Amino acid sequence: DAGVIQSPRHEVTEMGQEVTLRCKPISGHDYLFWYRQTMMRGLELLIYFNNNVPIDDSGMPEDRFSAKMPNASFSTLKIQPSEPRDSAVYFCASSLYRGVEETQYFGPGTRLLVL
Amino acid sequence: QQPVQSPQAVILREGEDAVINCSSSKALYSVHWYRQKHGEAPVFLMILLKGGEQKGHEKISASFNEKKQQSSLYLTASQLSYSGTYFCGGSSNTGKLIFGQGTTLQVKP
Repeated sequence: DAGVIQSPRHEVTEMGQEVTLRCKPISGHDYLFWYRQTMMRGLELLIYFNNNVPIDDSGMPEDRFSAKMPNASFSTLKIQPSEPRDSAVYFCASSLYRGVEETQYFGPGTRLLVL
Repeated sequence: QQPVQSPQAVILREGEDAVINCSSSKALYSVHWYRQKHGEAPVFLMILLKGGEQKGHEKISASFNEKKQQSSLYLTASQLSYSGTYFCGGSSNTGKLIFGQGTTLQVKP
C-alpha cells in the first residue's frame, strides 16, 4: 500500500492567498483526520471524517478554514485567506474502523509557510 | 484537555532504559503512543485500550492505569534509532485523539 498521500509537500504563499491542501487516505480506511503541528501548540486535531461525513470540526480554528471529503479517496483542507500564523505542518491521517481503537497512519505532511 | 507528558526531554546513552509518562485529567478509553523523528510524520508504536488490551508491533512496552488515567511507555536497552519525540494521545471514546505536548528523547553513542 502506498500509505497516506499528501500534496503539496511544501507550500509557500503570501498572506491573503488561498491555500488548498490535499490528502488521499489509505484505501479502505473509514476515518480521515486533519492535524496541524506547530512548536507552540503541538499536534492539534482540526477535523475528522467518518465515511466521508465530517464528525467533529471543533478544532478548526476559524471560518477561514474549511475541509471537505467528496469521496472515500480524497479530502481537502482549504485556508482562505491565509495568514502568517497559519504557518505549520499539516498532517492527514487515516484509520480503519474507529480511530480510537486502531492505528492512525499519518501522511508525510504539508509544510506551509505564509509570508 | 491535553494529556500531560513527563519528562519533557531525556538524554540517554545506548543501552540505557527510559520511561515516559502520560497522564490525563479526563477518563480515557484508549491511549496511543507515537514516535516522530525530525521532519517526518508521527509513526504508530502502541495502543492500550480500556480493559487491558494492548496492540503494538515493536519491542516497546507500555502500561495503562485506568484508575489513575495514566500511561507509561517503557524503552529498554535504548538504541540510537529510538531518538525522536514521543507523543501520547488520549481518547475518551469520542473518536478523536488529543495528543500530549511530546517528550524528546535523544540517545547518544
